[in-house]
Amino acid sequence: EDQVTQSPEALRLQEGESSSLNCSYTVSGLRGLFWYRQDPGKGPEFLFTLYSAGEEKEKERLKATLTKKESFLHITAPKPEDSATYLCAVQEAGNNRKLIWGLGTSLAVNP
Amino acid sequence: GAVVSQHPSRVICKSGTSVKIECRSLDFQATTMFWYRQFPKQSLMLMATSNEGSKATYEQGVEKDKFLINHASLTLSTLTVTSAHPEDSSFYICSAPVGTAHGELFFGEGSRLTVL
Repeated sequence: EDQVTQSPEALRLQEGESSSLNCSYTVSGLRGLFWYRQDPGKGPEFLFTLYSAGEEKEKERLKATLTKKESFLHITAPKPEDSATYLCAVQEAGNNRKLIWGLGTSLAVNP
Repeated sequence: GAVVSQHPSRVICKSGTSVKIECRSLDFQATTMFWYRQFPKQSLMLMATSNEGSKATYEQGVEKDKFLINHASLTLSTLTVTSAHPEDSSFYICSAPVGTAHGELFFGEGSRLTVL
């Protein structure tokens, strides 16, 4: 069964304390893996798309990487404003473009 | 960048009434929009795909007569929850894809529905 698992479920960091969030996936073929940020009571905001193993994308303090089985979202020297839930979604290769979503990692960065 | 606007952000209604949620693409045309539902501590659940000028495509288990979707123009899709019940209380979010891959989505702000 196709699935997306994110870990940890929740993470609390001190400001400046770097860490990584994990998204592992099981699909027969990967079309794309997507990272989103969601603030409480808001819709998700698109961050990155990764298409193939070895690919990396960066935006400010965030860097996303991809292997054949998982993706990491690295957060370098986080700030309190990075506090949010980070969602991972996978799109399987083929005609079905439906996204498979993970449950997300709730990140809290303390000042 | 592209913006999707959703309204209302919060709505409280009595059981048995109907509620309409609007989703607009503000600076681009969206032939396709997606409607999601999100419960606490659960993943985003795709309810239906809204197609401009044609009938919506509903996911398995979603009642099309209860969740009416209309996509009458290239910038507006609406979701109407008919005869709402407390179990319909949830966070409803619309989105529109960027390009044809449908994985990069612009989401609306979401609508919190509470049915009393």
